[in-house]
Amino acid sequence: NAGVTQTPKFQVLKTGQSMTLQCAQDMNHNSMYWYRQDPGMGLRLIYYSASEGTTDKGEVPNGYNVSRLNKREFSLRLESAAPSQTSVYFCASTERAGAYEQYFGPGTRLTVT
Amino acid sequence: GQQLNQSPQSMFIQEGEDVSMNCTSSSIFNTWLWYKQDPGEGPVLLIALYKAGELTSNGRLTAQFGITRKDSFLNISASIPSDVGIYFCAGPRVSGGSNYKLTFGKGTLLTVNP
Repeated sequence: NAGVTQTPKFQVLKTGQSMTLQCAQDMNHNSMYWYRQDPGMGLRLIYYSASEGTTDKGEVPNGYNVSRLNKREFSLRLESAAPSQTSVYFCASTERAGAYEQYFGPGTRLTVT
Repeated sequence: GQQLNQSPQSMFIQEGEDVSMNCTSSSIFNTWLWYKQDPGEGPVLLIALYKAGELTSNGRLTAQFGITRKDSFLNISASIPSDVGIYFCAGPRVSGGSNYKLTFGKGTLLTVNP
């Protein structure tokens, strides 16, 4: 099992460009999450999907959209990237909503110039 | 809000030393989680605590769920170079129904000098 995979690992964007970060899990988990990690800020929740077909905002959703494509895949889209979105993005999954043990992917390091 | 305050922010220790770090909150948590993030990787769950007063070990790691339910402690004994990384505490926020989200502390950065 690969667990949680994320693509790409690194990305550089110019201000105003758009891109989609991909996440997939092969653990048959129901819930998936997107976080961003900034120095000294810990992990902040952007969006989550408690189950296939549902998505909800987290702490810092502005400037992002998500799609729960199927049970395995949960993508994060930046429509018009801004320098403030420079960060490391992590996808995570849990067996079910209400399960606290989250399994994280390796992250995508995004730089917006 | 349900913020988690971790201390210390960073630690520099010699290989073989013991390490202690803690996490506090002004709110009560019913579960405490400790994660470790290796450089360049995603966080990995180390220990989960579900009951006030609980003491749980995982190899050289020991974590305790504070009796007030507002704090938790993580100890690492006889540190080794591969203990280097960021240690996060986390706890669930109840946000309606069964859709629990985690609150994370800002992390303790551990450096081990060989």
